[in-house]
Amino acid sequence: DIQMTQSPSSLSASVGDRVTVTCQASQDITNYLNWFQQKPGKAPTLLIYDASNLETGVPSRFSGSGSGTDFTFTISSLQPEDIATYYCQQYDNLPLTFGGGTKVEIK
Amino acid sequence: EVQLVESGGGSVKPGGSLRLSCAASGITFNNAWMSWVRQAPGKGLEWVGRIKGKTDGGTTNYAAPVKGRFTISRDDSKNTVYLQMNSLKTEDTAVYFCATDVGPTTLDYWGQGTLVTVSS
Repeated sequence: DIQMTQSPSSLSASVGDRVTVTCQASQDITNYLNWFQQKPGKAPTLLIYDASNLETGVPSRFSGSGSGTDFTFTISSLQPEDIATYYCQQYDNLPLTFGGGTKVEIK
Repeated sequence: EVQLVESGGGSVKPGGSLRLSCAASGITFNNAWMSWVRQAPGKGLEWVGRIKGKTDGGTTNYAAPVKGRFTISRDDSKNTVYLQMNSLKTEDTAVYFCATDVGPTTLDYWGQGTLVTVSS
């Protein structure tokens, strides 16, 4: 199975700050990577696919980059509504696997 | 608008069985690949398994922890996918989400989830 290592597990930042989350795959997954946002008590929603493509309707302050084994997710200017847990997920191979999540809070 | 609505969750004793349903609308269901993903209380996301659309053979794949105990099936006439869970263990306690692949990636639409509690 492909292991997805996400860091940090939590972070606290101020409104307007740039926030960065990293995700490392245990083997090359090309660019077969999604990023999801999950708010408490809700289902995850897709933000980014193919490592860097913004899903339709997702604000442009969200972005993703990387390929191979190392990936980055960025919120360019943190907003109060961005408080959530963020997950990376690979779809290069079955089983589909997720990172452990990054909980983003407002300082 | 794509909608996925899960049902069938509840409480069951270890060793028991439960069948979850996920009714879909807003998609061409018979071609859709449908997955189940679960989330234990306070934990992260874990893929459970997937069934391909009939045009792709309707084959199923499962995660190791559930293989041999869980079965995914579909009824295209009802636009519904099922998760039959047998020999349930306490560690199967989780919210179970169904999700589908509509666009160019996987898991791009999710239902709201249904809670399964396995406890004596």
